[in-house]
Amino acid sequence: GQQLNQSPQSMFIQEGEDVSMNCTSSSIFNTWLWYKQDPGEGPVLLIALYKAGELTSNGRLTAQFGITRKDSFLNISASIPSDVGIYFCAGVNDYKLSFGAGTTVTVRA
Amino acid sequence: GAGVSQSPSNKVTEKGKDVELRCDPISGHTALYWYRQSLGQGLEFLIYFQGNSAPDKSGLPSDRFSAERTGGSVSTLTIQRTQQEDSAVYLCASSFIPSGPLGETQYFGPGTRLLVL
Repeated sequence: GQQLNQSPQSMFIQEGEDVSMNCTSSSIFNTWLWYKQDPGEGPVLLIALYKAGELTSNGRLTAQFGITRKDSFLNISASIPSDVGIYFCAGVNDYKLSFGAGTTVTVRA
Repeated sequence: GAGVSQSPSNKVTEKGKDVELRCDPISGHTALYWYRQSLGQGLEFLIYFQGNSAPDKSGLPSDRFSAERTGGSVSTLTIQRTQQEDSAVYLCASSFIPSGPLGETQYFGPGTRLLVL
């Protein structure tokens, strides 16, 4: 599938800080998904976005689907140690997911 | 179980050997997907099954890779004559239906970590 450009590639953050990451693509997607992957585990779905411009929250997580359907951002507010992991964005058309390369988040206590 | 399960969780094999990886999707999910995740990389689509339709094999990297789905449920990914570059995490996912707001949400298993020596 098409490759999504995800940034930043990695980040070190202080506990309590807010975090922001984003994905862009040259292709339009019908659905945008954000996953978190812990070491040794499969990706776990965090947020799903279905409508252009949609802003959705899940606890301390907030994500928005760009108006053009070619981009999305994910914000984590008031980060805690368990936020450590790799965050992936994925664009969906029909049944195929195209993934970003991931953002590795490390939290300093 | 409630989620997607995969076995084995880890597999070490010698170059040239065949391996089989198993996936049990979430009960009631009609769509099943296989992905490969190389170290430090995103997920790469391999193959997709939906009901009795012909699978989409467009992501399989070579003819050494094949997959079956028996009875619309359990799936097996087979890699023949393994090579060192096959070393990766192989992830399985399932979804309720293949398209539409609910179906496009794929739920992943924990993966099988394959190491080819």
